[in-house]
Amino acid sequence: DAKTTQPPSMDCAEGRAANLPCNHSTISGNEYVYWYRQIHSQGPQYIIHGLKNNETNEMASLIITEDRKSSTLILPHATLRDTAVYYCIVRAISGGSNYKLTFGKGTLLTVNP
Amino acid sequence: NAGVTQTPKFQVLKTGQSMTLQCAQDMNHNSMYWYRQDPGMGLRLIYYSASEGTTDKGEVPNGYNVSRLNKREFSLRLESAAPSQTSVYFCASSASGLPSGETQYFGPGTRLLVL
Repeated sequence: DAKTTQPPSMDCAEGRAANLPCNHSTISGNEYVYWYRQIHSQGPQYIIHGLKNNETNEMASLIITEDRKSSTLILPHATLRDTAVYYCIVRAISGGSNYKLTFGKGTLLTVNP
Repeated sequence: NAGVTQTPKFQVLKTGQSMTLQCAQDMNHNSMYWYRQDPGMGLRLIYYSASEGTTDKGEVPNGYNVSRLNKREFSLRLESAAPSQTSVYFCASSASGLPSGETQYFGPGTRLLVL
């Protein structure tokens, strides 16, 4: 699986959009970009994933650059409850033994009142 | 629909004691996983079960055993606990077999302290 690079921490004001970047310059054509988050003392929570098109769901939007070497997770109206560590993960969907998610250190997003 | 449940939530063991961490999911998922998370680190895969009846080692399997009891349940056993196994343990499940089915859903975690 491709390696990802994320800033260690970011701040965001409550009610504003939070834009979390992720670099994955070695991504392969069959690898998806996944985003998870982990609120303090809880299990990781799936947010969104995509291959090459931009994606949106009820939680967030995922913008993937045309060359697929980077992506941005957007929380459109951040709340205090969005304070968490956000993990960007790249992995292939190919079955076999490719089941593990490789969690790096992620980005600690702090939403301030 | 409870998702992924884990028991116990907290446990304190003495070195050398054994225990089993229980995990169950009610989403009819095929695949289940055990991870551990140490302070300041990401999650590391201990064991996984791609489907009922199969189990495979992950990154850090030493000192652990697993049992996929049925489709719903996947247990993690520490035969002789060591202080290095002090950690938070997360169980997860995924539908698998489909691109969208690779999304993993996590339980609330078991906090284990080995003295």
